[in-house]
Amino acid sequence: AQKVTQAQTEISVVEKEDVTLDCVYETRDTTYYLFWYKQPPSGELVFLIRRNSFDEQNEISGRYSWNFQKSTSSFNFTITASQVVDSAVYFCALRDSGYSTLTFGKGTMLLVSP
Amino acid sequence: GAGVSQSPSNKVTEKGKDVELRCDPISGHTALYWYRQSLGQGLEFLIYFQGNSAPDKSGLPSDRFSAERTGGSVSTLTIQRTQQEDSAVYLCASSFYAGGDNEQFFGPGTRLTVL
Repeated sequence: AQKVTQAQTEISVVEKEDVTLDCVYETRDTTYYLFWYKQPPSGELVFLIRRNSFDEQNEISGRYSWNFQKSTSSFNFTITASQVVDSAVYFCALRDSGYSTLTFGKGTMLLVSP
Repeated sequence: GAGVSQSPSNKVTEKGKDVELRCDPISGHTALYWYRQSLGQGLEFLIYFQGNSAPDKSGLPSDRFSAERTGGSVSTLTIQRTQQEDSAVYLCASSFYAGGDNEQFFGPGTRLTVL
């Protein structure tokens, strides 16, 4: 069974603050894949990153960084120096190797105010 | 290249009517997925296709919902005898192949309102 928990329903920050979005997952599989998607107010989900279970290296892409820790089953997403354009709903998702579909968390709404 | 497209972008219908929602995946993508997103909610998986076959229909909420895919390309989601609880945004996604580390690319969605 797959499960993704995003405990933070909504986060509000002021521009230039750093913010971390939490994602905790459950799986019995040893091979699995984790994803983050962004859904801006326009509504279209945008793929941000993919990570497989054998690659625990953290990743940085500009102001975005991801911290994957198998020991705590977490795949957290940090935005450094947040901007108003970062305001969106962010979804974490999981796919076990034996599944073809993604299991999404309920999403975290991030509001960045000027 | 073109992304996933969906039509119509908005659909308002009366309770009891049938509706058809269309999805055009990215060219070359063999897998196609349908999701539903109710206001302020997460994504609810409905059905996926690998080619023209639908190995997993487990998410379809009732027998009023059906979907087909022809030619390994365009897919149509049909909702018969619509109910007010069917009001939601219906999202389509496609990927190169189902499963593994293939990311899904999403369309802009069809907002369905049932009066």
